[in-house]
Amino acid sequence: GQQLNQSPQSMFIQEGEDVSMNCTSSSIFNTWLWYKQDPGEGPVLLIALYKAGELTSNGRLTAQFGITRKDSFLNISASIPSDVGIYFCAGQSNYGQNFVFGPGTRLSVLP
Amino acid sequence: GAGVSQSPRYKVAKRGQDVALRCDPISGHVSLFWYQQALGQGPEFLTYFQNEAQLDKSGLPSDRFFAERPEGSVSTLKIQRTQQEDSAVYLCASSQQGWDSPLHFGNGTRLTVT
Repeated sequence: GQQLNQSPQSMFIQEGEDVSMNCTSSSIFNTWLWYKQDPGEGPVLLIALYKAGELTSNGRLTAQFGITRKDSFLNISASIPSDVGIYFCAGQSNYGQNFVFGPGTRLSVLP
Repeated sequence: GAGVSQSPRYKVAKRGQDVALRCDPISGHVSLFWYQQALGQGPEFLTYFQNEAQLDKSGLPSDRFFAERPEGSVSTLKIQRTQQEDSAVYLCASSQQGWDSPLHFGNGTRLTVT
């Protein structure tokens, strides 16, 4: 079936640093979503992307829909302690309305 | 309510028991999804409803899993004869009408089968 890969699997950064993570697939997707999940809670939507090449920002977060439609990127600028959590990408293809999720990138921010 | 509500938040079941997990979607949201999330992994799709119609149940792992949404609002995920491998967080999400509408998740039900 369709699978998404996320890298890095985990990262430790200093407060104030910028963060980059990506999501790749062997299949083409038409919609990309980025979520953040804190312990004991459900994923919270950060950014939605609908068109190849699209670049969308939400505060300090910026995400891009890759030109090939097989990847997406999320950047966080000037990280703060509350950025700690697990970041998931999710993609939707033409095969169904469900979204396929990646395995996540675990972000830790050191003070 | 303002968000997706799931109950119970935690459920402990002895192996072989049946369980029922409830989801109240965001008011007016047409689509409802169930996902299973194992520890340390991303959510895995189970099933999807549009109004009361179950349009995709390809992710249900066995015939012990059953979901319904009889009036197109509240949904129940039922697991019969629970097994230890069923232990996971079960997430419900809803979305507005539209093929690519983003999913809005509840906080999940953590099921532990002993």
